[in-house]
Amino acid sequence: QVQLQESGPGLVKPSETLSLTCAVSGASISNDDWWTWVRQSPGKGLEWVGEIFHSGDTNYNPSLESRITMSMDRSKNQFSLKVNSVTAADTALYFCASRRIRSRDLAYWGQGTLVTVSS
Amino acid sequence: DIQMTQSPPSLSASAGDRVNITCRASQTISITNFLNWYQQKPGKAPKLLISLVSNLQGGVPSRFRGSGSGTDFTLTISGLQPEDFATYYCQQTYSVPTFGGGTKVEIK
Repeated sequence: QVQLQESGPGLVKPSETLSLTCAVSGASISNDDWWTWVRQSPGKGLEWVGEIFHSGDTNYNPSLESRITMSMDRSKNQFSLKVNSVTAADTALYFCASRRIRSRDLAYWGQGTLVTVSS
Repeated sequence: DIQMTQSPPSLSASAGDRVNITCRASQTISITNFLNWYQQKPGKAPKLLISLVSNLQGGVPSRFRGSGSGTDFTLTISGLQPEDFATYYCQQTYSVPTFGGGTKVEIK
């Protein structure tokens, strides 16, 4: 059973960098899955943030592309998200998930971590 | 980007009812059929119900059914159960993934 667990600061100041990590167990991040971030602003819908493949290839939401970076740490079997120059609009529940390559669905999800941007 | 428009944004229904949730893509995603449906309950991660338009995931009750092609897709719940009251999202993964705005199914 694949399990994902997000971690990172719950509070980030405006203009600073939001950094989150997703630890994966039950599967290797070197598998042929795309490792994904999805976020949900309070009371709003789901927003796809981006994804990374074991090759290092990435796909980012065009609306966020200039501010986000994703990376992988194979030794720790985890992947990460950085969002630069955050504003209150980046306040959200951030989920990590795995996207299966054949069916292109998000079959496994972390429980989510709430990040609040506030001074 | 492919925009996904869900309707209705919310609906009220009673246990035992049949409900339809529709999802319209701004351009066709046929051939590949990369259209998924998720269920989300408050404070929880979304749960994958259906992938590839109509492929029911293991453990998901058969009262859930996905259908459609081209740009128009439907999630049907036949015989609504108390545990089905939740928010439902469609997602296309034909190109850069995008979600629909969600449909909240509430108790009448």
